[in-house]
Amino acid sequence: AQSVTQLDSQVPVFEEAPVELRCNYSSSVSVYLFWYVQYPNQGLQLLLKYLSGSTLVKGINGFEAEFNKSQTSFHLRKPSVHISDTAEYFCAVADSGGYQKVTFGTGTKLQVIP
Amino acid sequence: ETGVTQSPTHLIKTRGQQVTLRCSSQSGHNTVSWYQQALGQGPQFIFQYYREEENGRGNFPPRFSGLQFPNYSSELNVNALELDDSALYLCASSQRGITGELFFGEGSRLTVL
Repeated sequence: AQSVTQLDSQVPVFEEAPVELRCNYSSSVSVYLFWYVQYPNQGLQLLLKYLSGSTLVKGINGFEAEFNKSQTSFHLRKPSVHISDTAEYFCAVADSGGYQKVTFGTGTKLQVIP
Repeated sequence: ETGVTQSPTHLIKTRGQQVTLRCSSQSGHNTVSWYQQALGQGPQFIFQYYREEENGRGNFPPRFSGLQFPNYSSELNVNALELDDSALYLCASSQRGITGELFFGEGSRLTVL
């Protein structure tokens, strides 16, 4: 079974500042890793995913994440945030075999301060 | 390309009642997953349907059941509603074999009184 831990429930950051949202996972098998974003009163939208290959993954809206197998982490970063990035961000994991059950973390609310 | 649509968007039920939520999957997708998102929590996996059969289930009791139809649309049924069933129910469609990317609807917000 897999699990995901998002270490910060809320992250306030000033506009144009960099941000890192932390995610650690636990699994006994090879995994795929994802970050999803949820804007208020909406469903989730995929930001980026790691399946294999390069450990640095680039996604939409200028976000990127780095897969670190030894530290079982998949932190999300953006060098300069905008007001429109205010949302809740979910890290997720799926095992690389079997059916596509995706397990989500509890989320991190990113609040961009003007 | 039509996205994932869910209905109803909001509904209120009382304890003990039954509810049916509906989901139309994105064009070209053959797999549907249902998630429960309680307030302030991440989505919790309920079950997944592929080829009209349940293909994996999370830690939810049997009073949570579902269906998938030949056109890949799906229903989530919850019997004997409890107060703790109050949540946002999210449907996500995907194409089996293209791992991981789920396309979500905007959800059905259920309030149980």
